Amino acid sequence: EVQLVESGGGLVQPGGSLRLSCAASGFTFSDHYMDWVRQAPGKGLEWVGRSRNKAHSYRTEYSDSVKGRFTLSRDDSKNSLYLQMNSLKTEDTAVYYCVGLLTGYPYWGQGTLVTVSS
Amino acid sequence: EIVLTQSPGTLSLSPGERATLSCRASQSVDSSYLAWYQQKPGQAPRLLIYGASNRATDIPDRFSGSGSGTDFTLTISRLEPEDFAVYYCQQCDSSTFGGGTKVEIK
Repeated sequence: EVQLVESGGGLVQPGGSLRLSCAASGFTFSDHYMDWVRQAPGKGLEWVGRSRNKAHSYRTEYSDSVKGRFTLSRDDSKNSLYLQMNSLKTEDTAVYYCVGLLTGYPYWGQGTLVTVSS
Repeated sequence: EIVLTQSPGTLSLSPGERATLSCRASQSVDSSYLAWYQQKPGQAPRLLIYGASNRATDIPDRFSGSGSGTDFTLTISRLEPEDFAVYYCQQCDSSTFGGGTKVEIK
């Protein structure tokens, strides 16, 4: 059974940093692309970034809204995906979801809440 | 950048009625990567359809997806009380989401 479990969310002040983690199981993590998607309160779904697999040189991509502030990384030996978030803004407040893309079949975690507030 | 436009924004229907939701892409997309989700308040999105027309695991057959190119449709043949929710389409290859359609009780 595929499982994705996010952790690391919480309350942080504007300008602060936070690191989210996603622990994956039930599939060959190293073979697949992984995304972070977020949803601000009362809003729609917004793609944050993508980590491609080893076959594609672990290339990363980011939305314009987080480029230069957020960094995706992965550790295939630990079946884990990470999102380092720096220079956080109040508009980054959202539930952050880890998504595994298994050949056109996306699997989602339950999400972790990040609140940016003073 | 591919833009997905969902319509209508809100659909007001009664249980037992048929719901037809539209997702239109700004340019032709690979239907292998077109997905539909259902989301209820406080819950993560639930995958309904992948590859434009394939039902995900444990999804009832009243949900069906169709379309290709730039026009895709999610159909709920007979609305059950638990189907009233927000629905999103996504092009997984480019990671674009539509803005969502809320299906509410009339």
